[in-house]
Amino acid sequence: EVKLVESGGGLVQPGRSLKLSCAASGFSFNDYWMGWVRQAPGKGLEWIGEINQDSSTINYTPSLKDKFTISRDNAQNTLYLQMSKLGSEDTAIYYCARVDAVALYWYFDFWGPGTMVTVSS
Amino acid sequence: DIQMTQTPSSMPASLGERVTISCRASQGISNYLNWYQQKPDGTIKPLIYYTSNLQSGVPSRFSGSGSGTDYSLTISSLEPEDFAMYYCQQYDSSPPTFGGGTKLELK
Repeated sequence: EVKLVESGGGLVQPGRSLKLSCAASGFSFNDYWMGWVRQAPGKGLEWIGEINQDSSTINYTPSLKDKFTISRDNAQNTLYLQMSKLGSEDTAIYYCARVDAVALYWYFDFWGPGTMVTVSS
Repeated sequence: DIQMTQTPSSMPASLGERVTISCRASQGISNYLNWYQQKPDGTIKPLIYYTSNLQSGVPSRFSGSGSGTDYSLTISSLEPEDFAMYYCQQYDSSPPTFGGGTKLELK
C-alpha cells in the first residue's frame, strides 16, 4: 500500500525557517518524481514544486523559488521541504504527493494527509 | 501562469442527480488537465487525468471531457460520498495551476 506521511509542521515565528519531511512507503521511492502542494486556510490548492528521481531536476513555482528548497533522500525514502523567511502568507496545510508521469500523463496519484504550518508571533 | 476558472464555486445537488463542473483555462492547454477530489477531512485523491482517463479505483459514474480551453467533470448519479470539493489542474505549462475549486453540497 502506498503511504505518504508528512511531518514537521507546527507554529513558527515570522522570518524563521522550518523543514518538513514526507516519509514514503509501499512503493519504490527512487522510481518516482515527488512534489509538494499547499493549501492556505479556506483557499484552493497551490503547487509548490517537484523533484525528479535523482534530484538532478527540481522545479518550483516562481514566487516561492527563493524561499523554498525541495530535496530528497532515496536511501531514507524521504522527501523534504525546507522553508525560509516564513511569513503569514505561508500559513497552510502542506501536502506531499507522488507524481505519475508517463508519456502525456502527469498528475499526483497519491497524496499524504498533510501537515499544518502556522506562521505567527 | 495559466489561470484556471472553475464554475460554479458551489453547487447544491441531490442524491442521484447528474452534475457537471466546468473548468476554463486562460489559454489552450491541449487536454493536459486533471481532476481531484478533496474530502472534508482534507484527503485528496485523483479522479481523472489527461482530460478523460479514469484513475484506477474511481467509480465509472465519474467522467471527464473537453478540449482547448474548456473542460468538464461529470458525475452521472450522485452518491453520498461524492459531496466534496473538486479541483481541476492544468499541466500544459509550468507552473501547474489549479482551479479555485467547486464545493458539491447536499441540497
